[in-house]
Amino acid sequence: DADVTQTPRNRITKTGKRIMLECSQTKGHDRMYWYRQDPGLGLRLIYYSFDVKDINKGEISDGYSVSRQAQAKFSLSLESAIPNQTALYFCATSVPGHTEAFFGQGTRLTVV
Amino acid sequence: GQSLEQPSEVTAVEGAIVQINCTYQTSGFYGLSWYQQHDGGAPTFLSYNALDGLEETGRFSSFLSRSDSYGYLLLQELQMKDSASYFCAVKGAGSYQLTFGKGTKLSVIP
Repeated sequence: DADVTQTPRNRITKTGKRIMLECSQTKGHDRMYWYRQDPGLGLRLIYYSFDVKDINKGEISDGYSVSRQAQAKFSLSLESAIPNQTALYFCATSVPGHTEAFFGQGTRLTVV
Repeated sequence: GQSLEQPSEVTAVEGAIVQINCTYQTSGFYGLSWYQQHDGGAPTFLSYNALDGLEETGRFSSFLSRSDSYGYLLLQELQMKDSASYFCAVKGAGSYQLTFGKGTKLSVIP
């Protein structure tokens, strides 16, 4: 089983719909991240969390919200999806003081 | 803030050596990382440099010059499976997040 699991792997949704992307990890890491990837733009940070009570906005948080339900679970929500949120979304984890981030397999979201 | 520049595409021949450069601007600096991502896959960690110099891991090496705000990833004995996108990333002092470059798409040709 993957250490960082994202569900769903693919999703098509309509404009205006609320959608939640889920991430769970078995690595025991405190730090969790949500990134968005668009062609030619690399990975951009949406939100990050250093523990259950700590949530921080990243570079592109507008239109998104997150919930850290437990150390192992970090969810990303789009309250009202719009087409320019069509992208590949990655969840990642890391350990304090370490530089390596571990990524999930990604969720491909299409907003039509 | 932090920003990184790397070439968008590089093509190299199987068996050859290729160097992917990365320049960065950051208000503080902890280190420079490199990640590999195959099409449709997740980014995976390759290397990390916190100090000046060369770090070698098998066919891959990474170099850092803090005074020049510059680093590179060197891939030797290229194989077809090395065709992927490569991202440099910085971790700034006082910031606990990684900022990624836009990626370099490496194509290895026979």
